[in-house]
Formats: sequence, C-alpha cells, structure tokens
Amino acid sequence: GAGVSQTPSNKVTEKGKYVELRCDPISGHTALYWYRQSLGQGPEFLIYFQGTGAADDSGLPNDRFFAVRPEGSVSTLKIQRTERGDSAVYLCASSLTSDSHEQFFGPGTRLTVL
Amino acid sequence: QKEVEQDPGPLSVPEGAIVSLNCTYSNSAFQYFMWYRQYSRKGPELLMYTYSSGNKEDGRFTAQVDKSSKYISLFIRDSQPSDSATYLCAMSGNAGGTSYGKLTFGQGTILTVHP
Repeated sequence: GAGVSQTPSNKVTEKGKYVELRCDPISGHTALYWYRQSLGQGPEFLIYFQGTGAADDSGLPNDRFFAVRPEGSVSTLKIQRTERGDSAVYLCASSLTSDSHEQFFGPGTRLTVL
Repeated sequence: QKEVEQDPGPLSVPEGAIVSLNCTYSNSAFQYFMWYRQYSRKGPELLMYTYSSGNKEDGRFTAQVDKSSKYISLFIRDSQPSDSATYLCAMSGNAGGTSYGKLTFGQGTILTVHP
C-alpha cells in the first residue's frame, strides 16, 4: 500500500514569505506527526494530531508555525514570515493510533529559505 | 544538555564486522526505546523498539536497554554494505499508562560498511 507522502519534495522561498507543506498519511492512521530535521541532526518534534485535534503542539518554535488537520487525514504545516533559520527537512509521520509504537515517516520536504 | 545524546560518528567498518551503536539519555520518564535507520534523502524507518529495560533480538539486530544507567545500544552482527545509513535512537515517555507519541531523537550515527 501507499506510504506517507509529502509535497512538495523541495521548496525554495525567500525570507519573509509564507509557505505551506502538505502531508498525506497512510490511510486509516489516526495519529499524525510533524518533525523538523536540520543538517546533521536527528528529527525534532513539532506537533502531533490525534484525529483532527492537536494533541501536543509543544514543539512548535514560535507563533509563525501553525498546523491543521481539518478532516483527520491530510495535514498542512504553515510557516509565516519565513526566516533563514527555518531551512530544514520537514518530516511527517503517521501511526495507527498515538499508542502505536511504529511511526511511518514520509520522505520529507526540504525547505530552503534564501 | 540534550535529553538524548548520541555519538554522531562517522563509523566505518569492514563487511562482516559487529557494529555497536549507543545512546545515553537524561529523562527518567522515557519508557519506550526505538532505533530508526535513515538512508540519504529518505525518511527514518523503524528497526526495533523495546519497552523498559532488557534485550530484544531480530535477525542480525539486537537492542539493549539499561534504564538504571540510562543507556541503550544497538548491535548489528555480520554487517553488510546495505547497512550503511544513519542510525537514530529515539525515545518516548509514558503518560497516564499509555505510550506517548512524541519521539525524542538522538543526533544520529553515520555508519559506513565497506565491502
């Protein structure tokens, strides 16, 4: 079956612009996670959804970052007024439930802010 | 200091060698311990997970957890060139008796297995 997909695979933007990153989880997975991975580092937790609601958004670095999952499936991570420090790979993962031990990761969106 | 510390390597070994990868952590609330493998420009994929202290074996891979020392290890036997990747340890806490989805990762160790 299809895995987690993320679009776009690469995004180049200018400082100050707004970007949206999309994640399509595995069908039937109720939990969805966003992580950010900087070069040479492990993924860093941003937010996770159980269904439509954000169960934990403690990893969002500031109010420029926002994520939604309106129908409990596809999720969009939104970044306002991008900064060069936002450049990273944004990974999305899904699991059957938030109690599941295995999170299935997508290939990521590589964001570059010039 | 980071909650999870992992030596970034890089680690280079000949084919057939036994590889030892390690992480230390500081948060006593961590109950679930995982090892992920990440190939270049790909997302991480789960190799193994263990709950609390103990050992778990799966083919050529063995995961060990020592909660008293806050130390976890992954051993790879008979390493193959296809094992060349970045290995990430990850941990999660236990809230209200159920596992908690938020994973805290180590920095990752880059492993290269030479033919």
